[in-house]
Amino acid sequence: AQKITQTQPGMFVQEKEAVTLDCTYDTSDPSYGLFWYKQPSSGEMIFLIYQGSYDQQNATEGRYSLNFQKARKSANLVISASQLGDSAMYFCAMREVYNTDKLIFGTGTRLQVFP
Amino acid sequence: GAGVSQSPSNKVTEKGKDVELRCDPISGHTALYWYRQRLGQGLEFLIYFQGNSAPDKSGLPSDRFSAERTGESVSTLTIQRTQQEDSAVYLCASSPRTGLYEQYFGPGTRLTVT
Repeated sequence: AQKITQTQPGMFVQEKEAVTLDCTYDTSDPSYGLFWYKQPSSGEMIFLIYQGSYDQQNATEGRYSLNFQKARKSANLVISASQLGDSAMYFCAMREVYNTDKLIFGTGTRLQVFP
Repeated sequence: GAGVSQSPSNKVTEKGKDVELRCDPISGHTALYWYRQRLGQGLEFLIYFQGNSAPDKSGLPSDRFSAERTGESVSTLTIQRTQQEDSAVYLCASSPRTGLYEQYFGPGTRLTVT
């Protein structure tokens, strides 16, 4: 079974608008972390935001926020006020405390921001 | 401060040859990870090192793949008798410690096997 599912292979958004990138996960570990990374065309992986399974509030980092719905096992990334530089691949990933220490990645969503 | 560095940035090799990829983690980071990213796909975990503990090799796809790390510094990923399906970007990441902390990635090595 897929541990991390990103159902949107591609998304388009107009500059200055908000966009939500979907991510659902599957784990039986009570302690886990959810991460979002951005990968521009240059190929580097840039850490954006983190949500711990026990965090009571949704994580926010500047224009990025994470809509964490634990019961639904979803961790959607919301980008507000999109910029042209936000065009990139976005990966959702999970780390399970009791299942080694690797990051398990989804297949990614390609976001394109247009003027 | 300096981030994770990897070398070479690009490597083209003939099928059947061995290759070595290098990763320099962020100074002081005890955990180091190798991932593989095939074209248009997500990242696949290969191996991880934490301090002096035995590495977790559960993601290595075959015995042609091996990796070493000297203490808490440089790591090398070796692929023997390369095959065309080994063509991918190999990414290294480091983390201050294990647990629920973000991993910082290097720029990757693009390997092309002809």
